[in-house]
Amino acid sequence: QKEVEQDPGPLSVPEGAIVSLNCTYSNSAFQYFMWYRQYSRKGPELLMYTYSSGNKEDGRFTAQVDKSSKYISLFIRDSQPSDSATYLCAMSAMNTNAGKSTFGDGTTLTVKP
Amino acid sequence: GAVVSQHPSWVICKSGTSVKIECRSLDFQATTMFWYRQFPKQSLMLMATSNEGSKATYEQGVEKDKFLINHASLTLSTLTVTSAHPEDSSFYICSAGGGGAEQYFGPGTRLTVT
Repeated sequence: QKEVEQDPGPLSVPEGAIVSLNCTYSNSAFQYFMWYRQYSRKGPELLMYTYSSGNKEDGRFTAQVDKSSKYISLFIRDSQPSDSATYLCAMSAMNTNAGKSTFGDGTTLTVKP
Repeated sequence: GAVVSQHPSWVICKSGTSVKIECRSLDFQATTMFWYRQFPKQSLMLMATSNEGSKATYEQGVEKDKFLINHASLTLSTLTVTSAHPEDSSFYICSAGGGGAEQYFGPGTRLTVT
């Protein structure tokens, strides 16, 4: 069983919809949680970086962490066609680069105009 | 801020030759850089972790003599694919540590070995 599980999708939604992307994990040592967006044939881009449980909002994006359930989510409000990409969750036990991140396999999202 | 560049973005080489890929952090210093490989429609596969001034740490199954990594300065890491073969064709992506758990990725290098 993988340490981080992420539904690969694909997920297709109409423009303007609220999108929910999720990851579950098994390692209770994970404290730091990231979401990355990767467009086709490009490197991933850091979207959100959160610590421990709770919510963090940045524009149309909200990251939510529930450590008790070992479950994290990324919500995208008012989704746009430009949000069409693969979204990767990542987690780390340490707040330094000495602790490597463990990545999910990514969820592919398509937002249709 | 936190921009990482890669060069070249695309390279074609003949089987048996070596290819060097550069990864630079443009506006910050990166003690740690990571090298990943990604096949189409698959997730990132970590190849190695490089720390400035020391030897890279390779993941299990990655041939260190084939994928040479040098992290000579706080802004530059290089990956050299030696004696490349068609099965080495892939998308190679580097990232630089941001000081915490987050990473800043380069745009990637597409390698095609003919």
